[in-house]
Amino acid sequence: SYELTQPPSVSVSPGQTARITCSGDALPKKYAYWYQQKSGQAPLLVIYEDNKRPSGIPERFSGSTSGTLATLTISGAQVGDEADYYCYSSDSSGNHRVFGGGTKLTVL
Amino acid sequence: EVQLVESGGGLVQPGGSLRLSCAASEFTFNNYYMSWVRQPPGKGLEWVANINQDGSEKYYVDSVKGRFTISRDNAKNSLYLQMNSLRADDTAVYYCARGYCSGGSCSVPPQYWGQGTLVTVSS
Repeated sequence: SYELTQPPSVSVSPGQTARITCSGDALPKKYAYWYQQKSGQAPLLVIYEDNKRPSGIPERFSGSTSGTLATLTISGAQVGDEADYYCYSSDSSGNHRVFGGGTKLTVL
Repeated sequence: EVQLVESGGGLVQPGGSLRLSCAASEFTFNNYYMSWVRQPPGKGLEWVANINQDGSEKYYVDSVKGRFTISRDNAKNSLYLQMNSLRADDTAVYYCARGYCSGGSCSVPPQYWGQGTLVTVSS
């Protein structure tokens, strides 16, 4: 079955740039999406279609893709950005969806 | 504001069944793809199933195929997940999620999520 691979954890100091990666063989052909999940809360969509921000998401959140790698970048990370981040995409058929394993972002 | 409210979770014995419901409001339900996503305690998100706008197309993760059935009733603005032959590894919070529309087309990936309902499979 198709898999998306994320690093388990990323740590940055406040104000630094955090980069979270997501690797998958179908990413050159399928969009990547990114979700933020804070403790005890439902996930929140922060990036869709590789690099678009939904309304209300701060500009410091951005997305990019290169080949089989998608990247979520948080510029000037804040303590309030501490959360688990998940990438999401589909296999090459487009019919089966998958989440990456999640990356815990620590800002301290 | 988009509202998705799940119900039907609870404690069930292995081999048992449960039916989850999701009541949707404040948007035109029959315009959107819908999904179920689950999260085992302390673990990551897992896509379970999704359904298109008229219910004619349904897709499942391999681990639930043949045991779970996703359905919708557009007249009642409701999404369902019938879960049979439940196993301990089905224990999770189950989220109902709505897809999104952009540029005149609508897509599966979730934009809005409910708060989830906990399903515990244990004897």
